[in-house]
Amino acid sequence: DAGVIQSPRHEVTEMGQEVTLRCKPISGHDYLFWYRQTMMRGLELLIYFNNNVPIDDSGMPEDRFSAKMPNASFSTLKIQPSEPRDSAVYFCASSGPRNEQFFGPGTRLTVL
Amino acid sequence: AQSVTQPDIHITVSEGASLELRCNYSYGATPYLFWYVQSPGQGLQLLLKYFSGDTLVQGIKGFEAEFKRSQSSFNLRKPSVHWSDAAEYFCAVGGSGVITGGGNKLTFGTGTQLKVEL
Repeated sequence: DAGVIQSPRHEVTEMGQEVTLRCKPISGHDYLFWYRQTMMRGLELLIYFNNNVPIDDSGMPEDRFSAKMPNASFSTLKIQPSEPRDSAVYFCASSGPRNEQFFGPGTRLTVL
Repeated sequence: AQSVTQPDIHITVSEGASLELRCNYSYGATPYLFWYVQSPGQGLQLLLKYFSGDTLVQGIKGFEAEFKRSQSSFNLRKPSVHWSDAAEYFCAVGGSGVITGGGNKLTFGTGTQLKVEL
């Protein structure tokens, strides 16, 4: 298996623009997680899905953030409009039934 | 609520020396415990995991960890550190969503940055 795939790897955008981050989980995994990592706040869980259904979105910082999982092999995290404080590395991870999460390489987002 | 404490933010060791990174957890049931490593610019890679059974677990890259229920600890060890081990290490705790209702969510510690001196 290729592991968790994220795209793009780097994104530079201007404040106010819409940003869409993409994730393909490991085949057969039924949990998908979106995290954000910054120097100041460390690793934060934003939202996670089970069988394509959002289970806990309490970590989503505000309404500008939204996440979808239309099928078992694809998820998106969207920020609209983006702000400089959204600059971070965003990770997607997936797991099976034993909580063993496998992380993607991350998307480094810079909002100017 | 579950939580993880990694008391050491930074640790420096000499190459060839032994290493122990501390992790203490709080969890209301039997936990699943994990150690992840993150090299600069990379995602988190799973080093090892504890689900049940033998309390000493072996991982990749020569790492091991010991689950001590009485101390609520899951310390990571390596007998001889290599320069390539320099990275950030994260301890995490979770459980069976069926029992705890928390799904497969993991709670991560704040990480320990390891520096290796040549």
